[in-house]
Amino acid sequence: GDSVTQMEGPVTLSEEAFLTINCTYTATGYPSLFWYVQYPGEGLQLLLKATKADDKGSNKGFEATYRKETTSFHLEKGSVQVSDSAVYFCALWTTGGGNKLTFGTGTQLKVEL
Amino acid sequence: KAGVTQTPRYLIKTRGQQVTLSCSPISGHRSVSWYQQTPGQGLQFLFEYFSETQRNKGNFPGRFSGRQFSNSRSEMNVSTLELGDSALYLCASSLGGLANYGYTFGSGTRLTVV
Repeated sequence: GDSVTQMEGPVTLSEEAFLTINCTYTATGYPSLFWYVQYPGEGLQLLLKATKADDKGSNKGFEATYRKETTSFHLEKGSVQVSDSAVYFCALWTTGGGNKLTFGTGTQLKVEL
Repeated sequence: KAGVTQTPRYLIKTRGQQVTLSCSPISGHRSVSWYQQTPGQGLQFLFEYFSETQRNKGNFPGRFSGRQFSNSRSEMNVSTLELGDSALYLCASSLGGLANYGYTFGSGTRLTVV
C-alpha cells in the first residue's frame, strides 16, 4: 500500500539556518504530494503541493520538488525563523488510494534565536 | 470566507460512553473527511463522505461511524469509548475530494477518555 517516510525529529536549528526535512514515498500510480504544517493546538495547514513529477511547490520561502526517480519530496527553506517552529507532515494522495491522504509521522522543527 | 469548523474543541468522556463530534465544511465543499491523530499512530484516515454517501473507510472498528447531512455538515460517532480513543480528531473539507481541489482542515476536537 501507499506509505510516506519522514526523517525523525526533533530538528533544532538556529534562526537563519538552512532547513531540509527529508520525505520519501511508496505509492502505486502517480501520487500528488503535499507538505502540511501544524502549529501547537491547531489543525493542519497546507504549506505546498506538487501534482506531477518535476513540479516544484513553494510557499512562504519553503520549497519542495517532486522527484519521481528517487521517490522523494524533500522540504527546504533557505533561512528559518523562530515562527517556523511547528510539526511538518509530508503526505500523498493517489487516484487509486480512495480519496484519502496518507501521512508521514511528522517532523518537529524547533528554531532558536 | 469561513473555514472548517469543528465542535466541540475539547471533550472529556468516560470509558464506555459514546460521543458525537461535529464538522461544518467550507461553504460549497461537498467532501468531508475525518482523521484521527495520536502520538503513537500519527494521522490515520477514518472515513470520507461526499454528498451524504460514505465513499471510503479506513481501518477502524465498527464503533467508529459517521454521517453527512444534506447541507454537507458531518458528524462522527464513537460508541463504547476506550482509553485508546483519546486523540485529536481532525475534519477536512474539499470541493470534490480530489487532490487538485485541496483539503482544508479544521482545528480539531481533542477527545480525552478517562
